[in-house]
Amino acid sequence: AQTVTQSQPEMSVQEAETVTLSCTYDTSESDYYLFWYKQPPSRQMILVIRQEAYKQQNATENRFSVNFQKAAKSFSLKISDSQLGDAAMYFCACRTSLITTSGTYKYIFGTGTRLKVLA
Amino acid sequence: KAGVTQTPRYLIKTRGQQVTLSCSPISGHRSVSWYQQTPGQGLQFLFEYFSETQRNKGNFPGRFSGRQFSNSRSEMNVSTLELGDSALYLCASSLDPSPTDTQYFGPGTRLTVL
Repeated sequence: AQTVTQSQPEMSVQEAETVTLSCTYDTSESDYYLFWYKQPPSRQMILVIRQEAYKQQNATENRFSVNFQKAAKSFSLKISDSQLGDAAMYFCACRTSLITTSGTYKYIFGTGTRLKVLA
Repeated sequence: KAGVTQTPRYLIKTRGQQVTLSCSPISGHRSVSWYQQTPGQGLQFLFEYFSETQRNKGNFPGRFSGRQFSNSRSEMNVSTLELGDSALYLCASSLDPSPTDTQYFGPGTRLTVL
């Protein structure tokens, strides 16, 4: 079974500091994609960053970067220079490729990490 | 360009009733996915539609169904509501079903089942 685990229900970071959110996953598929989504309070969920499993290079989007350790099935999110607007629930997700052995794909989300940014 | 819209935003139903939720994707987007978000189960994938066809379905009972129209608007229906169906239902649209294509989420419909 495919699983995504976020072991940190809540994290806090001081404004302008760096924080790392952890995520581990498990899938039997060889081709998959990993995502971090951000859900601010009472606002819409948005994609933060995406990583293709076949790419060794870690994805980066401005202040957001990932540490993708394929062998360890780890996909952590690093937020640099944290801002008050980064306060949100962050979800890690794993999606297998469109065509799998069963003809469908699986899309599993972690339980989320609530990030608080302290002024 | 207008974002993903979902109607209604809030809904209260009683057990045994049925409900229909609507999602209008971003103009030009042909793929629509639905998710259920609850405090206990977290975020779970319900199903995805592309070009009026259900492309994939999550692990939900048959009471949950959906459809997509020729203009890419989508509806999901839940019949014989149970208390556990109380949740925030999110819709997301993308140009196509590819995982490399960014999904844009709507604000959600909060369903309360009494």
